[in-house]
Amino acid sequence: DQQVKQNSPSLSVQEGRISILNCDYTNSMFDYFLWYKKYPAEGPTFLISISSIKDKNEDGRFTVFLNKSAKHLSLHIVPSQPGDSAVYFCAASVGGSQGNLIFGKGTKLSVKP
Amino acid sequence: DGGITQSPKYLFRKEGQNVTLSCEQNLNHDAMYWYRQDPGQGLRLIYYSQIVNDFQKGDIAEGYSVSREKKESFPLTVTSAQKNPTAFYLCASKLGGRLLYGYTFGSGTRLTVV
Repeated sequence: DQQVKQNSPSLSVQEGRISILNCDYTNSMFDYFLWYKKYPAEGPTFLISISSIKDKNEDGRFTVFLNKSAKHLSLHIVPSQPGDSAVYFCAASVGGSQGNLIFGKGTKLSVKP
Repeated sequence: DGGITQSPKYLFRKEGQNVTLSCEQNLNHDAMYWYRQDPGQGLRLIYYSQIVNDFQKGDIAEGYSVSREKKESFPLTVTSAQKNPTAFYLCASKLGGRLLYGYTFGSGTRLTVV
């Protein structure tokens, strides 16, 4: 049973516009959420995180929103740039420092010039 | 510079052979992890270790083995019992404490069975 779901395998956006990547989860015990960015043949790199006590976290062009009642989080990238083209993974954890990350299957973002 | 080093980047294995993937970190991180990535499958946890000389099975541990004799090193052995070993393998580490910055990942090893 998949606890972290990224239902859109791919997303295509024009340069300069907003990219919105979505993630749903089923486990209400998750207390920490992260987004990772991955280029082909490389390891994922940490992008942004949010604790369950918050509903928004912002870092430059990247904002993550958390809707606990809907068990949904989203990553907004504004403005999108061609270098943002990558696979984005949503991940969640239960149990703070001892929790292991559970990853979604990823969404491939293509930003077209 | 601190980081995680995985080697080799590409590895070819004949059916029936065991192979060992190396993972070394100089970040002084306590926990280390092995993930497997298959197309369309995301990242699946194979094994993890929170401290030296201790490790736990993840979701897909069958056919794999690990050791954690040193804090810096967490090698993964893919045994002949692993039925479908062709995949991209990722090692990661985390400092003890909150997941504020998540895991740090290595650059991966692509294993191909020939």
